[in-house]
Amino acid sequence: QQPVQSPQAVILREGEDAVINCSSSKALYSVHWYRQKHGEAPIFLMILLKGGEQKGHDKISASFNEKKQQSSLYLTASQLSYSGTYFCGTENGSSQGGSEKLVFGKGTKLTVNP
Amino acid sequence: KAGVTQTPRYLIKTRGQQVTLSCSPISGHRSVSWYQQTPGQGLQFLFEYFSETQRNKGNFPGRFSGRQFSNSRSEMNVSTLELGDSALYLCASSLGQSFYNSPLHFGNGTRLTVT
Repeated sequence: QQPVQSPQAVILREGEDAVINCSSSKALYSVHWYRQKHGEAPIFLMILLKGGEQKGHDKISASFNEKKQQSSLYLTASQLSYSGTYFCGTENGSSQGGSEKLVFGKGTKLTVNP
Repeated sequence: KAGVTQTPRYLIKTRGQQVTLSCSPISGHRSVSWYQQTPGQGLQFLFEYFSETQRNKGNFPGRFSGRQFSNSRSEMNVSTLELGDSALYLCASSLGQSFYNSPLHFGNGTRLTVT
């Protein structure tokens, strides 16, 4: 039940926008987004929760479509620092407090050039 | 507050040997998850522990095992190493009892090379 991310890679010029999609074959309970720079640990960006609540980063936004079982990460007016690999992690559960595992997609490599 | 600490950072082992990796979570975090990262495969879930109990396990062979101690520190063990086990092993801790509203905090990983 690994989520599917698209695109696999994207190259932008500084200031351009990008959208990264994450789709699951199972009902989503929560979606996590992380960014990993080369040689570093993944860092948390935001969590999207079933029911519409959103947490996280104020310069990057995301949506969560429960019906379509997908989430999208929106990067607007990209900066050089946005470069890295973005991972979505999905939790498939049916009740709050459940102990479903967090499964990650294969990642989307984002390169922002000057 | 100290972050997630993984030791060692690098490890070179020979096929057939076994290895133990260690993870110290952020103080107060009771959940520890382990992931294997290889190029092109993303983060593959190994297992997750909460309060010394394994709550979830990924699709890895029985050669991969783990445990969590009463102080929330965790270890994972790989026995009878194979060349395909070469990877970056990431440990992540989280505060909550579920991932629903609790982000993961990752360590820098242990880079395992099997020759």
